[in-house]
Amino acid sequence: DVKVTQSSRYLVKRTGEKVFLECVQDMDHENMFWYRQDPGLGLRLIYFSYDVKMKEKGDIPEGYSVSREKKERFSLILESASTNQTSMYLCASRGGNTIYFGEGSWLTVV
Amino acid sequence: DQQVKQNSPSLSVQEGRISILNCDYTNSMFDYFLWYKKYPAEGPTFLISISSIKDKNEDGRFTVFLNKSAKHLSLHIVPSQPGDSAVYFCAAKDTGTYKYIFGTGTRLKVLA
Repeated sequence: DVKVTQSSRYLVKRTGEKVFLECVQDMDHENMFWYRQDPGLGLRLIYFSYDVKMKEKGDIPEGYSVSREKKERFSLILESASTNQTSMYLCASRGGNTIYFGEGSWLTVV
Repeated sequence: DQQVKQNSPSLSVQEGRISILNCDYTNSMFDYFLWYKKYPAEGPTFLISISSIKDKNEDGRFTVFLNKSAKHLSLHIVPSQPGDSAVYFCAAKDTGTYKYIFGTGTRLKVLA
């Protein structure tokens, strides 16, 4: 079974804080993703990494950056959190044609 | 411009009956389609998928149908169970890319 683990499930941060969301997968997948899910908007791609140190912007990269120093780990960084970044963040990795999601990280920015 | 649409935000079905969830797409270059199930406060769980070269795929109670001429995808759940109550997302993969486009989801409620 594919295991994608997001280390922080629930976070509350203040506006302007730097936020790190960590994700680890155990299947040696090359491709990893960060999505955010908001009611009525579905899942929107923030960033994608196709290999170590390789990244591409998704549909909504503004206000975010990512880091992929090791194959199993993909981090999402909010440089200066804002209230409109309150959301559920989902990490995923790709095996074959299927992407597998982690449990999600609920971030509230106050 | 939404390339994958789930036009029904919610659906209620009696336990034991069939649930049919629908998804429409506009991009004929999608080569793979997937369905995910999501419970509140959890990540989406992969359910079933279908390649664009097929028109049906079955896995237990779940069957996915693909009508390429109509650009329409549907998920059938038979028989529906209360534990199937969740939000269902359809997704499509663009040919030769990493891009997966998701619909906005349909909330299924199975009534006991």
